[in-house]
Amino acid sequence: EDQVTQSPEALRLQEGESSSLNCSYTVSGLRGLFWYRQDPGKGPEFLFTLYSAGEEKEKERLKATLTKKESFLHITAPKPEDSATYLCAVPLQGGSEKLVFGKGTKLTVNP
Amino acid sequence: DTGVSQDPRHKITKRGQNVTFRCDPISEHNRLYWYRQTLGQGPEFLTYFQNEAQLEKSRLLSDRFSAERPKGSFSTLEIQRTEQGDSAMYLCASTRGAVTDTQYFGPGTRLTVL
Repeated sequence: EDQVTQSPEALRLQEGESSSLNCSYTVSGLRGLFWYRQDPGKGPEFLFTLYSAGEEKEKERLKATLTKKESFLHITAPKPEDSATYLCAVPLQGGSEKLVFGKGTKLTVNP
Repeated sequence: DTGVSQDPRHKITKRGQNVTFRCDPISEHNRLYWYRQTLGQGPEFLTYFQNEAQLEKSRLLSDRFSAERPKGSFSTLEIQRTEQGDSAMYLCASTRGAVTDTQYFGPGTRLTVL
């Protein structure tokens, strides 16, 4: 059973068209949720960490929010340079030191 | 640039050959993780080190895979008798402490097995 599910798999937006990406998780006792951005052929780039329900963090056009079952990455007035794959990840439950990633959402922003 | 470096960036090899990758973490980071990523998937955990000790390994890490982190600094990941299914991006990440701390990723090594 997937413990981290991201939707949609792919999203096409026009420049300036705001939207949200979803990351739902099934691990209990959440110890943190991480958002990364990944450009083709490169390693993931850290964006945000959220630790508790209700927490929000912002960076430029991105805002991440967290509930008890899911996280949203809101993108406001996106630009073509925001095109990338956005990954979320959570530590596995039970005290494991593994980080489990979703499959990502591939965002394309057209000019 | 996160401060985590990996070498080589690309490796093309023939099936059956051995390959070795290197990762240099951020200098003050105690933990080092290895991941494998295939097209359309998120990174998958392979193993991690706390200083020089290898503390956890995934079932994905078959006996053809071995990783080391001598002296708790850089790490190497070796794949013996490569198979076409080993073709993937191999990512290294480092963090100051526990899994709840931010992991900073290197640029990855793209392996192609012909």
